[in-house]
Formats: sequence, structure tokens, C-alpha cells
Amino acid sequence: EAGVTQFPSHSVIEKGQTVTLRCDPISGHDNLYWYRRVMGKEIKFLLHFVKESKQDESGMPNNRFLAERTGGTYSTLKVQPAELEDSGVYFCASSQQWGYEQYFGPGTRLTVT
Amino acid sequence: AQKVTQAQTEISVVEKEDVTLDCVYETRDTTYYLFWYKQPPSGELVFLIRRNSFDEQNEISGRYSWNFQKSTSSFNFTITASQVVDSAVYFCALSGSLYSSASKIIFGSGTRLSIRP
Repeated sequence: EAGVTQFPSHSVIEKGQTVTLRCDPISGHDNLYWYRRVMGKEIKFLLHFVKESKQDESGMPNNRFLAERTGGTYSTLKVQPAELEDSGVYFCASSQQWGYEQYFGPGTRLTVT
Repeated sequence: AQKVTQAQTEISVVEKEDVTLDCVYETRDTTYYLFWYKQPPSGELVFLIRRNSFDEQNEISGRYSWNFQKSTSSFNFTITASQVVDSAVYFCALSGSLYSSASKIIFGSGTRLSIRP
């Protein structure tokens, strides 16, 4: 069974540019989560999809971040425009049911210069 | 509020030594889940264990064991006879039982474990 995959693995962009991160969850997992770890701090929750619906987006830092999950399969996280403080590692996770263990992808390392 | 504290920022031991990673949590939920994840140098987060708050039995999996003490709000992780491949950052984490909070995993700041040959 394939795990959670994320693309790209690393992205370097300039301040003000746009970047789109992609996450493909484990097949059959309706729950998809985004987290990020910035500046060596804790890994922080961003949002949670159940199928294509946003169940909880309380962790989204501001309106420069837009997450979508059209069709309830893969998800994208767009940062527009990117700021220096957005640099960090963005993790995606999926779970079969809420409250169950979340399986994480390898992360996308975003560097904003 | 929910919070996870991993007081040990870095630990370094010689191979074959036993090592315990501490984790203390705070939550007002009566039922909750506790987790440990491993992040090796390759960067991915590897799920190790999930424990329901109702189950205080200690768990052993090979060289890994977990000690859940509800009375002290601790969920410590012990590696017996450590190996170089155990070198990684280990995260303790917590999620609630209510649907709205169960969607979030609250992570500790992580403990970087280095096993020297």
C-alpha cells in the first residue's frame, strides 16, 4: 500500500511569489490534514479535510494560504504571496477515520528568500 | 488548552545503552489519544504508537516500550539497547476525543536522540 506522498520535496521561491504544494493521501483515507513546522518550532496543525470538505481550518495562519481538495482525493496548499516567515516544512497526513492514527508524508521543505 | 512538553531537547548516548524520552501533557478532555512519532534524518514522520487515555497498560514492541501514567500526565518512551539507527527526532503528541479537537494533533517540540557507535 502506497503511503502519503507530497510534491515537491523541496521548493525555493522568492518573497512575493506563489507556490502550490500537493499531497496525495493513502488510498481510501477520507481524512486529510496539513501541518507545518517553521523555524525549528513545534509542528503545528493547519487544517483538516473530510473528503472534499474543510472540517477544521482553525490553524491556517492567514488568507495568503488556500487549501483545496477537489473530488476528495489529493489536496493542494497554495501560498500567495509567500513571505519569509512561511519558510519551513509542510507535512500532509491522512487517516482512515477521525481520531485514528495519522500517517504522514515526507513533507515539502519550503524556502522563501 | 492542550499542550505537550518534551523537556529534553537533545540526548546523546552510546550504542547499547537504554534511553528514556520524557513526555508530559496537559488536556481538559476526559478521553484523549497520545502518540509518538519518529522523524529520521530523511525527514518523514513515522508513526510509532497511539494510546487511548482509558488504556494505561504499558506497551512493549521489540526494543521500544511506553509507560503511560495518567496520574502524572506522562507518556514516556524507552528504547532498550539503543542502536545507531535509532538516531532521530522523536515527537510526543496529543489529540482530543471530541470530533472538533480530535482532528488536531498537538505536537511537542521534539527530542533529538543521537546514538553514538
